Amino acid sequence: SQKIEQNSEALNIQEGKTATLTCNYTNYSPAYLQWYRQDPGRGPVFLLLIRENEKEKRKERLKVTFDTTLKQSLFHITASQPADSATYLCARGTGFQKLVFGTGTRLLVSP
Amino acid sequence: NAGVMQNPRHLVRRRGQEARLRCSPMKGHSHVYWYRQLPEEGLKFMVYLQKENIIDESGMPKERFSAEFPKEGPSILRIQQVVRGDSAAYFCASSPVAGEETQYFGPGTRLLVL
Repeated sequence: SQKIEQNSEALNIQEGKTATLTCNYTNYSPAYLQWYRQDPGRGPVFLLLIRENEKEKRKERLKVTFDTTLKQSLFHITASQPADSATYLCARGTGFQKLVFGTGTRLLVSP
Repeated sequence: NAGVMQNPRHLVRRRGQEARLRCSPMKGHSHVYWYRQLPEEGLKFMVYLQKENIIDESGMPKERFSAEFPKEGPSILRIQQVVRGDSAAYFCASSPVAGEETQYFGPGTRLLVL
């Protein structure tokens, strides 16, 4: 099956460090991958989209990479802050644009 | 510009009752998607609708669940004869046009079936 896999274990880092989250996909080549942020009790919020022909995309302290050889996308938050603590979801688009999500990785940034 | 609105935010039903979840997409958006998030699981696609049409319902359970997006008014996700396993957070998302990859999510409706 065409899966999106994210590390289900929480990632704990100290404020100021760079957080790196991983998204792996199997058995297909998505045209693009998206990253969303979800806070407890809230809906996902779109952060970044990266296409298969883009190696890297940046937005403020966020950076996403897309490696079609490794079948992997990495999501980086530089100079992390406690306010960055949330669950981060990776998703791929499919026919009719429905999104297939990974289970998400919870990030905890300690002061 | 108001975001995607969902109501109610919380809904409690007893087994066998009906649940109606409403979603008003962002202004100018005519494409609506419903997703379900079970505890400790990821978001799962249920159905994709355009005004007055169901485009893709491949993620919708065959029985008890239905969805509509009428010409006027919000999109409705209806669950008949709810069971405890229906307890979940239901999210609606919208996009302005077909092929627009980014989806804008509402705050969700948390359904609890007693």
